[in-house]
Amino acid sequence: DAGVTQSPTHLIKTRGQHVTLRCSPISGHKSVSWYQQVLGQGPQFIFQYYEKEERGRGNFPDRFSARQFPNYSSELNVNALLLGDSALYLCASSLGGDYTFGSGTRLTVV
Amino acid sequence: AQTVTQSQPEMSVQEAETVTLSCTYDTSESDYYLFWYKQPPSRQMILVIRQEAYKQQNATENRFSVNFQKAAKSFSLKISDSQLGDAAMYFCAYRMRFAGSQGNLIFGKGTKLSVKP
Repeated sequence: DAGVTQSPTHLIKTRGQHVTLRCSPISGHKSVSWYQQVLGQGPQFIFQYYEKEERGRGNFPDRFSARQFPNYSSELNVNALLLGDSALYLCASSLGGDYTFGSGTRLTVV
Repeated sequence: AQTVTQSQPEMSVQEAETVTLSCTYDTSESDYYLFWYKQPPSRQMILVIRQEAYKQQNATENRFSVNFQKAAKSFSLKISDSQLGDAAMYFCAYRMRFAGSQGNLIFGKGTKLSVKP
């Protein structure tokens, strides 16, 4: 049974560019959450989606947006990239209990 | 606002020995979950153990156990018979029990555990 899959695994972007990160939850999981993990820190909550609706948003600027599709997969979009957006972006899915995390997308902004 | 604090940036343990990782948290809620996650170099967050705040009994999962002190808002993780594969970053996390769509996780800054052969 496939776990939470994220793509791409690594990404290098230039300041000012836009990036889209993708997440496929475990089959049957309807909730997807996104976290940002800066080097040396714990993950910080960005968004949570459930049944295609936004159910929670962390303290991130409007440059960050997300959506969830009918198949429960999700995209995280970041516009006007800053150097400080360099981080590991983690996706987690759940059915109603514990969260299962993917291995993340390492984003480097240069 | 809820916060989670891990005061030990790094810890080291000899293989087969026991180590305890500390975590304190702050919340005004009475019903919540606490977690310990392990993050190896593969980057994936792996759930180690979960504690429901309404349960007085400390959770145990094989070699991993917690000491949950609700009044003191303390939640430590004990790893017994440490193995080389236990080397990783360990994160303490908190989540409200009754929140819209389960609620988000709040993480501490982590403790890097090294295991010496």
